[in-house]
Parts: sequence; structure tokens; C-alpha cells
Amino acid sequence: EVQLVESGGGLVQPGGSLRLSCAASGFTFSTSWMHWVRQVPGKGLVWVSHINGDASDTMYADSVKGRFTVSRDNARNILYLQMNSLRDEDTAVYYCVKGGPLGDSWGQGTLITVSS
Amino acid sequence: QSVLTQPPSASGTPGQRVTISCSGSSSNIGSKTVNWYQQVPGTAPKLLIYNNNQRPSGVPDRFSGSKSGTSASLAISGLRSEDEAGYYCAAWDVTLSGWVFGGGTKLTVL
Repeated sequence: EVQLVESGGGLVQPGGSLRLSCAASGFTFSTSWMHWVRQVPGKGLVWVSHINGDASDTMYADSVKGRFTVSRDNARNILYLQMNSLRDEDTAVYYCVKGGPLGDSWGQGTLITVSS
Repeated sequence: QSVLTQPPSASGTPGQRVTISCSGSSSNIGSKTVNWYQQVPGTAPKLLIYNNNQRPSGVPDRFSGSKSGTSASLAISGLRSEDEAGYYCAAWDVTLSGWVFGGGTKLTVL
């Protein structure tokens, strides 16, 4: 059974940093595209970033480009999202999502609140 | 403002067939396949349809997807109370070089 478990969420001040982690199990992580998708509570889904199996291909939404960095540790089956220069508008639930196709499996989500 | 356009709401009675539309452009739906997701309030989304009309294992055949030009549709037949949820379409956008979602449609089963 595929399992994706996010951690690292919480309250952070504007301009601050946070790193999200996603522990993956139940599938061949090292060959799977992985994504981060976020959702402001009560609003729609927004794709944030993706990374391919060997981390040679990464992409970001314009809204986070230059501030967020996606990475992975295939030896430990963990996906990361390093978030810097956080803004109020980054407040959302962040989902770790398996690709192939996009949304094949979703984590439970972790809430990031950016507020002073 | 979402790149893909969905109606904010839809409704139907049990047993009825409902369709939800998703409108895009040549840079997304017009040139790429469409996925659909179901999100029951308080839970993570679930993949419902991929590659326009393919159902993952476990998804009932009451759910079907189609695409024509720059638009796509999700059809739900034999509506059930448990289908009451939010539904989202998504596609890769070649101009934006990223995935784009519709704003979501809240389906109410009357």
C-alpha cells in the first residue's frame, strides 16, 4: 500500500524558512515523479513543484520560483520542500503527491501558516 | 483566477447523471491529457480519472471522462450521496511549464 506522510508544517513568520518532509513507502520511490500541491483551506488546488526520480528535472510554479527548492533522498525514500522567504500568501495545506499519473496517491497534508 | 475554468457548483438527485465541465486552452487541455480528482471535505484529494478517460483501479465505472478540443468533462451516473464532494480537473500547461488546476466544482446531492 502506498503511503505518503508529510511533516514539518507549522507557524512561521513572514520572511522565514521551513522545510517540509514526505516519507514515502509502498512503491519504488527512486523511479517515481513526485510533486508538491498546496491548498488554501476552503479554496482550490495549486501545483507547486515536481521532481523526477533521479532529481535531474525539477520545475516550480512561478509563484514560488526562486524561493522554494524541491529535493529527494532516494536512499531514505524522503521528498523535501525547502521554503524560504515565506509570504502570507504561502499559507496553505501542502500535499506530497505521487506522480505517474499526477495524484496517483496523496499524503494527508501538512498546514503551513505564515503570520506575524 | 484559475487557468482551467470549472463551474463553481453542480447538483443532482440520487440516481441522476451529472456532468462537470472544464475549459482550457491550446496550451493545456488542447494539447495534453486531463486528470480529474475528487475531494471529500476534510480529506486529501483522490485521483478519479487520468489520461482523459482512464479510471484507476477501484474507481467505479459510474465515473467517466471525456475531452474534445480545449474542453473536458467528467460525468457521474447513478448519483449517490457519497459523491457529494469537490471535483477538480488538471492538465499540464506547455506555456507555463507546470500543472494547472481548475478552480473546483462543489457537487451537491439533493
